[in-house]
Amino acid sequence: DVKVTQSSRYLVKRTGEKVFLECVQDMDHENMFWYRQDPGLGLRLIYFSYDVKMKEKGDIPEGYSVSREKKERFSLILESASTNQTSMYLCASSLSFPDNQPQHFGDGTRLSIL
Amino acid sequence: GENVEQHPSTLSVQEGDSAVIKCTYSDSASNYFPWYKQELGKRPQLIIDIRSNVGEKKDQRIAVTLNKTAKHFSLHITETQPEDSAVYFCAAPTLMDSSYKLIFGSGTRLLVRP
Repeated sequence: DVKVTQSSRYLVKRTGEKVFLECVQDMDHENMFWYRQDPGLGLRLIYFSYDVKMKEKGDIPEGYSVSREKKERFSLILESASTNQTSMYLCASSLSFPDNQPQHFGDGTRLSIL
Repeated sequence: GENVEQHPSTLSVQEGDSAVIKCTYSDSASNYFPWYKQELGKRPQLIIDIRSNVGEKKDQRIAVTLNKTAKHFSLHITETQPEDSAVYFCAAPTLMDSSYKLIFGSGTRLLVRP
């Protein structure tokens, strides 16, 4: 069974802080994703990665960056946290071949920026 | 790019009745349509998916239908039970920079009344 683990379920940070959200998957998946989930807006893609050291912008990358130094780990970085980044953050992973493989999600990190 | 619209945003049904959630998509090249269920406080989990070479797929009380001509697909839940109460998301893929990413609908909150 695929396991996607996010380092924190709840996190409270202050405006201007640099925030790191960590995600680890144990199924040797090539693809990894970071989404934010807000009421009425569904899941919006922030960044994704299809290989180590590779990253692609999603739909809402502003204010975020990512790092993928190892295949199993994908980190989301809020360079200077702002209150409008208060949200639920979900990490996911999937195989890259064949195309269109199911994504497996972590439990999410509920981040509050004060 | 892909645009996915999901309706209704909320749905309340009596236990034992059927529930139908509909999604439309814009990219005619899309060929994979997953549905995710997210219970309160939990991760989204894949419940069923369909590929464009079939028009319908069933798994016990859950079915998904696909109309490629009209570019819409629907989730059907029969004999609903209280444990079906959750938020349901549809999704469709889009090709971006040689990699597929999923575009999610805004979600449907289903409430099954005992």
